[in-house]
Amino acid sequence: DAGVTQSPTHLIKTRGQQVTLRCSPKSGHDTVSWYQQALGQGPQFIFQYYEEEERQRGNFPDRFSGHQFPNYSSELNVNALLLGDSALYLCASSSGTSGFVSSYEQYFGPGTRLTVT
Amino acid sequence: KNQVEQSPQSLIILEGKNCTLQCNYTVSPFSNLRWYKQDTGRGPVSLTIMTFSENTKSNGRYTATLDADTKQSSLHITASQLSDSASYICVVSAGSWGKLQFGAGTQVVVTP
Repeated sequence: DAGVTQSPTHLIKTRGQQVTLRCSPKSGHDTVSWYQQALGQGPQFIFQYYEEEERQRGNFPDRFSGHQFPNYSSELNVNALLLGDSALYLCASSSGTSGFVSSYEQYFGPGTRLTVT
Repeated sequence: KNQVEQSPQSLIILEGKNCTLQCNYTVSPFSNLRWYKQDTGRGPVSLTIMTFSENTKSNGRYTATLDADTKQSSLHITASQLSDSASYICVVSAGSWGKLQFGAGTQVVVTP
């Protein structure tokens, strides 16, 4: 079992550019959540996808969007990058027919380190 | 204001010693509380999950306690090892549809 995988590992972008991050959930999991973790801080919830739909969303602007594919993998897209978007982006997968964020054990991937210059 | 506060912010302990990390929360209605261990540059790994009715839960040398009345939790590390050096994050979820609320973490450094 490969667990949760994310790509790329590291990414450097210029302010104003767009970026796409990818996540493959743990085998058997159907729900993917995305988090942003600034240096020295705890992760902040961005949104959660279940059955290819966004089920819940945190306090992030519309520049942050996502997608879930039929194989349950997911993408996080960030448009018009700002310097403040520099962070570790974590993907977590879980299993559950309801997709409740709070009810199920979440397994985190290693993250993608995004640096915006 | 963050609804999950952790203390201390950082901690240095000698290998073999014990330590206790604290977590206070205001998240309501409470669903469950989790402790995660996060190595530098890696994703968090779950240590324990506790619901309202659970007071104590252990995972090897890690023991978590929960007082739902005072909204406090602690994580006790026994006989620390160098591999325990990491950030320990307290996470609280509210209700069935609640989003996970993360604390800022306590950075633990175990020295030889």
